[in-house]
Amino acid sequence: NAGVTQTPKFQVLKTGQSMTLQCAQDMNHEYMSWYRQDPGMGLRLIHYSVGAGITDQGEVPNGYNVSRSTTEDFPLRLLSAAPSQTSVYFCASSYGASSGNTIYFGEGSWLTVV
Amino acid sequence: KNEVEQSPQNLTAQEGEFITINCSYSVGISALHWLQQHPGGGIVSLFMLSSGKKKHGRLIATINIQEKHSSLHITASHPRDSAVYICAVNLLGGSQGNLIFGKGTKLSVKP
Repeated sequence: NAGVTQTPKFQVLKTGQSMTLQCAQDMNHEYMSWYRQDPGMGLRLIHYSVGAGITDQGEVPNGYNVSRSTTEDFPLRLLSAAPSQTSVYFCASSYGASSGNTIYFGEGSWLTVV
Repeated sequence: KNEVEQSPQNLTAQEGEFITINCSYSVGISALHWLQQHPGGGIVSLFMLSSGKKKHGRLIATINIQEKHSSLHITASHPRDSAVYICAVNLLGGSQGNLIFGKGTKLSVKP
């Protein structure tokens, strides 16, 4: 049981490049989400999904795109990378979208945009 | 004003000490989570609670809904407990998309 798997672990991008952070979970969880973690700040929600085919914006969605074609996968796309998107990204999932469900996190993806 | 405040921001302890990390929040909540983030980055859920107290090994989490306060206690601390501990709350009436995170407490336990 792998839990939540994120790839890549580390990535360096040039300004303007695009890339996709992959996230997969094998727990049949309905709810999946992407967060970014910046120094001195709490985790901030980028996008989330309550099931296949359903996505919504979080607190900081600009510059990012998501889709959820299957229950297992929830990729995060950076459309045109900017230095402000240098951050650590975490994918998370939980059994249901309602509050009170245990949250499972991936190992994180360190992204640097130069 | 941050809706979730943790204290202290940094904490250094000697091995064996009893440790308390505090979390205060200013909003109505349906659940509170304590998370652990180790050097290297992975985040693990320690507790989820909406009332009372939970215990797992040397870790104890308590919550007082009326006072809008939660504490995470570590008994007989060990260097492997060194990590960042994060408090997060689910807004009342909200979903997992309404999680608000504290900035974390960095704990260092010296041998």
